[in-house]
Amino acid sequence: GAVVSQHPSRVICKSGTSVKIECRSLDFQATTMFWYRQFPKQSLMLMATSNEGSKATYEQGVEKDKFLINHASLTLSTLTVTSAHPEDSSFYICSARKQTGVKGAGYTFGSGTRLTVV
Amino acid sequence: DAKTTQPTSMDCAEGRAANLPCNHSTIGGNEYLYWYRQIHSQGPQYIIHGLKNNETNEMASLIITEDRKSSTLILPHATLRDTAVYYCIAYTGANNLFFGTGTRLTVIP
Repeated sequence: GAVVSQHPSRVICKSGTSVKIECRSLDFQATTMFWYRQFPKQSLMLMATSNEGSKATYEQGVEKDKFLINHASLTLSTLTVTSAHPEDSSFYICSARKQTGVKGAGYTFGSGTRLTVV
Repeated sequence: DAKTTQPTSMDCAEGRAANLPCNHSTIGGNEYLYWYRQIHSQGPQYIIHGLKNNETNEMASLIITEDRKSSTLILPHATLRDTAVYYCIAYTGANNLFFGTGTRLTVIP
């Protein structure tokens, strides 16, 4: 199988502070992980592709200095929302792709992190 | 990857089959059809995928028309736990998964 663990599941932070979200592939190594954001009643929007040992690739319109991504090992990627503002409140979801031995395209998703900035 | 279109929402009675349509008139020959679902406040879950032939697994069946311009996901006996947003995605494997708006399925007791 392929299991992706995301932590924390929900977090409330004050405006101006930073929040770190972790995404771990528990039983496989992932050279690439993906970070999505989902606003209420909307679909998932890809924010960035996290590459182990190199810089992340950000989608157009996503501020790389605000959403810091670190993929320091083959099983862990982190997303840090810096200087959070209320408009950053959203559901953040990570995904990792296992190339072999899984069903479908191999994408396994974390359970998501609900961020609320007050 | 080709664009897919799905109805915004559907209802289905519990215990009945849920048939979720998807149109993909511009799909390429090397694009697979993937179905994921997202239960409220959770990450997406893989359901099934196919290229040309109909497919069936323990969760659902996927029926693809001969011209591959449309398909239908069938949940044979819908339960309340099947209430979710269902995404139909055309995917070659080369790029990232692109999630459209999906169909919000509500299973009614």
